[in-house]
Amino acid sequence: DAKTTQPNSMESNEEEPVHLPCNHSTISGTDYIHWYRQLPSQGPEYVIHGLTSNVNNRMASLAIAEDRKSSTLILHRATLRDAAVYYCILFSGSARQLTFGSGTQLTVLP
Amino acid sequence: DAGVIQSPRHEVTEMGQEVTLRCKPISGHNSLFWYRQTMMRGLELLIYFNNNVPIDDSGMPEDRFSAKMPNASFSTLKIQPSEPRDSAVYFCASSLGGVSTDTQYFGPGTRLTVL
Repeated sequence: DAKTTQPNSMESNEEEPVHLPCNHSTISGTDYIHWYRQLPSQGPEYVIHGLTSNVNNRMASLAIAEDRKSSTLILHRATLRDAAVYYCILFSGSARQLTFGSGTQLTVLP
Repeated sequence: DAGVIQSPRHEVTEMGQEVTLRCKPISGHNSLFWYRQTMMRGLELLIYFNNNVPIDDSGMPEDRFSAKMPNASFSTLKIQPSEPRDSAVYFCASSLGGVSTDTQYFGPGTRLTVL
């Protein structure tokens, strides 16, 4: 399975942008890049996904490198409610599985 | 939409007892997933079903674990006999299924403690 590498933790100040990096150098051409987050005492929730092009939705933006070996989740204005563990996952349609790594613990400081 | 429903939310049992966790997926979703989360191992996929049929159970730890999906609106994960190392949060998730852009929707989880 293709693996992802994320920093263990990051901090951000409230109302500032946050850039969460993810390396996936062994990504295959058919792997989609998914981001999920897990708030304290809750199940993971979907944030965003993409294949090659940058993506935007109401929660975040996803910037994908041209060679697809890395990506960055961008929270444009962090709030205290964004404090969570963020998981970068390569989703293979053939395997139909989400393989969660250790994720990045985001702390938002008031 | 009520989302994925899991019951019970908390379960405390003694070693050797049978434990049954329940999940109701989102209506219309045809894929269902069971995950386990521990501090040591993080989130692990145990088994997933597509159209009520188990597709991959390679994550099921051992024969003490079994999962069923008798219909599209209900699934169970059973542990018999339970052991202290089974203590974890168990999540159920569902998805529409079929494509690699598929989004999984997770339930709130069942926190299991085996004494």
